[in-house]
Amino acid sequence: SQQGEEDPQALSIQEGENATMNCSYKTSINNLQWYRQNSGRGLVHLILIRSNEREKHSGRLRVTLDTSKKSSSLLITASRAADTASYFCATPHHTGRRALTFGSGTRLQVQP
Amino acid sequence: DAEITQSPRHKITETGRQVTLACHQTWNHNNMFWYRQDLGHGLRLIHYSYGVQDTNKGEVSDGYSVSRSNTEDLPLTLESAASSQTSVYFCASSPDVNTEAFFGQGTRLTVV
Repeated sequence: SQQGEEDPQALSIQEGENATMNCSYKTSINNLQWYRQNSGRGLVHLILIRSNEREKHSGRLRVTLDTSKKSSSLLITASRAADTASYFCATPHHTGRRALTFGSGTRLQVQP
Repeated sequence: DAEITQSPRHKITETGRQVTLACHQTWNHNNMFWYRQDLGHGLRLIHYSYGVQDTNKGEVSDGYSVSRSNTEDLPLTLESAASSQTSVYFCASSPDVNTEAFFGQGTRLTVV
């Protein structure tokens, strides 16, 4: 079963706008990661946030984590056409904590 | 630069044939993983390994096997390919627990 679920499933915005994606998970975690996948490519790691952190920034990315609500959000500010991709949250897998469990992802389309 | 490579990138095979997908990483990571990606399911864990001679089953391991004879390689074998195994397969590696994973470019497998 999937640990993380992203919302929305699809998002279409204009260049320059901000994009917010949400992730909910079911069990306690010690970290949560976000990945990007361009069409036909492998996943690329974006950011890791630990359970004792509430917010983390990396360039135009801002990730929040609310362990009491078992949820996380990824904000991409001033989006660009090159941000068009699918975005996945990932949490430690229950069968092997070095492995990851992924949600179904949010497909982001940034219109030029 | 260190990398993780998968081969082949595309393969078509017939039902009942044995198929092996290769994964090779040059980071010297102990942890290696195989996932499959299907529409509506995100990525699901097939098998994983924490080091040489160590292999473990993930959540969708039926019909698949792996072997780890060295640090660099984790080949995935489909013992008798079935149409339900048509999917995109991703190999990944990571250096430690609770760290980012590095993904290959994927292998698109079609079983006819």
